[in-house]
Amino acid sequence: KAGVTQTPRYLIKTRGQQVTLSCSPISGHRSVSWYQQTPGQGLQFLFEYFSETQRNKGNFPGRFSGRQFSNSRSEMNVSTLELGDSALYLCASTPWGGNEQFFGPGTRLTVL
Amino acid sequence: GENVEQHPSTLSVQEGDSAVIKCTYSDSASNYFPWYKQELGKGPQLIIDIRSNVGEKKDQRIAVTLNKTAKHFSLHITETQPEDSAVYFCAAPSNQAGTALIFGKGTTLSVSS
Repeated sequence: KAGVTQTPRYLIKTRGQQVTLSCSPISGHRSVSWYQQTPGQGLQFLFEYFSETQRNKGNFPGRFSGRQFSNSRSEMNVSTLELGDSALYLCASTPWGGNEQFFGPGTRLTVL
Repeated sequence: GENVEQHPSTLSVQEGDSAVIKCTYSDSASNYFPWYKQELGKGPQLIIDIRSNVGEKKDQRIAVTLNKTAKHFSLHITETQPEDSAVYFCAAPSNQAGTALIFGKGTTLSVSS
């Protein structure tokens, strides 16, 4: 079974721009969660989607948003980028009825 | 969840030695405790997890113990090998709905041969 895939793997943007990241979960998994990883703050939960609905949201500003499609693929968007948004953005998928989260390789976002 | 503390932040051992990483959590309702290994340039990989109805779980050279009364859980790696070198994270569920996890700050394990 293929793992979680994320595209693109690397991205460089400038302040004020917006960015969209994509995540394809493991086949059959309907829950997708997003996390931000930085050296200072570690791994922080952004949001979770299940059956195209946001089920849970972390403590991030409204510039961070996401969505999920009917095939369970998910996207997250960050608008008006700030230098502090530079991070590794990780997506994880969870099987139906389970707790386990399986992570993708992440998208490394650099904001200049 | 909501707060997970992890110690130590760095750990250096000789090949063949054991390594122990400890975590404490604040939410007594937590019932699922996973451990992840993250190698350079990769996403976190789930290596073992434990649920609150058991006190210990083992998988080859790794084991996890859980003390619900004290609200702490530990990862034990025996007979360490250089390929065990990585950053290890413990986690516990957020007290919100869904499957969100609260992660510890991570332990960088270095195994020298």
